[in-house]
Amino acid sequence: NAGVMQNPRHLVRRRGQEARLRCSPMKGHSHVYWYRQLPEEGLKFMVYLQKENIIDESGMPKERFSAEFPKEGPSILRIQQVVRGDSAAYFCASSPTGTSAPDTQYFGPGTRLTVL
Amino acid sequence: QKEVEQNSGPLSVPEGAIASLNCTYSDRGSQSFFWYRQYSGKSPELIMSIYSNGDKEDGRFTAQLNKASQYVSLLIRDSQPSDSATYLCAVRPTSSGTYKYIFGTGTRLKVLA
Repeated sequence: NAGVMQNPRHLVRRRGQEARLRCSPMKGHSHVYWYRQLPEEGLKFMVYLQKENIIDESGMPKERFSAEFPKEGPSILRIQQVVRGDSAAYFCASSPTGTSAPDTQYFGPGTRLTVL
Repeated sequence: QKEVEQNSGPLSVPEGAIASLNCTYSDRGSQSFFWYRQYSGKSPELIMSIYSNGDKEDGRFTAQLNKASQYVSLLIRDSQPSDSATYLCAVRPTSSGTYKYIFGTGTRLKVLA
């Protein structure tokens, strides 16, 4: 049973470019969460999605950031016009549905974004 | 006051000793609590979840929850150098209405051989 998959693992962008980060949840999981971790800091919640729905985007910056989880395919976190402050590790997590522990999250390996 | 607080450490313990990691949270109605281990440059790895007051044991790990005092702790018995990592406390606050976590900044543990 494959775990949460993220790609790319490392992404380098120049200021002003777009970054697209992908996440495929574990099989049987339909909840996806995105977190950002700055160096030497804890993980900060960004957005929670289910298939075709954004459930909670309270942690997402209002501008330049967007997320989707289409009916088919991976969840995508998109950052437009990146700035140096966007450099961080972005982790995706997924959790199962229909179990006794629907809120247990399993993390992917992360995408490390570097903005030059 | 931070929503979830942890001492950043580093907490240094000799090999074979018990490491005690603590976490306090501000949302009194929180129901779900998790401990994750994160090695440098890696992703968080779930160690334990705890939902009820008291102790929960899994191998060398014991999670302790005290909702009245709003703290949750993790004990690691017979600490090994391979346990050296950052330990993240995560809380699911009831106010969220969703399954998102609030993380502490983590406690760095060093187990000295």
